[in-house]
Amino acid sequence: EAQVTQNPRYLITVTGKKLTVTCSQNMNHEYMSWYRQDPGLGLRQIYYSMNVEVTDKGDVPEGYKVSRKEKRNFPLILESPSPNQTSLYFCASTRAFGELFFGEGSRLTVL
Amino acid sequence: KNEVEQSPQNLTAQEGEFITINCSYSVGISALHWLQQHPGGGIVSLFMLSSGKKKHGRLIATINIQEKHSSLHITASHPRDSAVYICASTRETSGSRLTFGEGTQLTVNP
Repeated sequence: EAQVTQNPRYLITVTGKKLTVTCSQNMNHEYMSWYRQDPGLGLRQIYYSMNVEVTDKGDVPEGYKVSRKEKRNFPLILESPSPNQTSLYFCASTRAFGELFFGEGSRLTVL
Repeated sequence: KNEVEQSPQNLTAQEGEFITINCSYSVGISALHWLQQHPGGGIVSLFMLSSGKKKHGRLIATINIQEKHSSLHITASHPRDSAVYICASTRETSGSRLTFGEGTQLTVNP
């Protein structure tokens, strides 16, 4: 079954405690990306990757890091989380100009 | 002005009605996506368009490149269609940069 898997689905953490949200896809897609969704602001792109070792900033990259060492995985790293990073996060993958496949979302709360 | 704008923001319909959601964009795009998000958060891709029209069941999506406008139509609406519908554009100059509309909250009453 084609899927994008995110973990954890829910996380409560404290300011400054590094965390990683994992994302894995089983469709051999070249493109992967991370989004955050906030009330009143909608979905915004954080980072995207066009292939292994190729990443670029989206609209709201501050406070986040990514890496793409393998085609299937695209983790999102918050080195020092702050309360303004409390949000609902989605990972997605696609082939070039193809349909988007989203993970189920990760709800992060930073206290 | 946002790069991608949707209207209406909220829409309430009676079961069986024909529904139209509109999306306008201001820059050249290579593709336009329509997404559906149900309560509980999961996002599903409905259509990806670069020209013309696509149909899937009761859903129809159209795009007019010259007018920079796309529409999502739902025929014979049903309460299970209640969800947030989001359009998103892939910029012409970047194959993976997506810009999202604010979404349209659709409620279909029985």
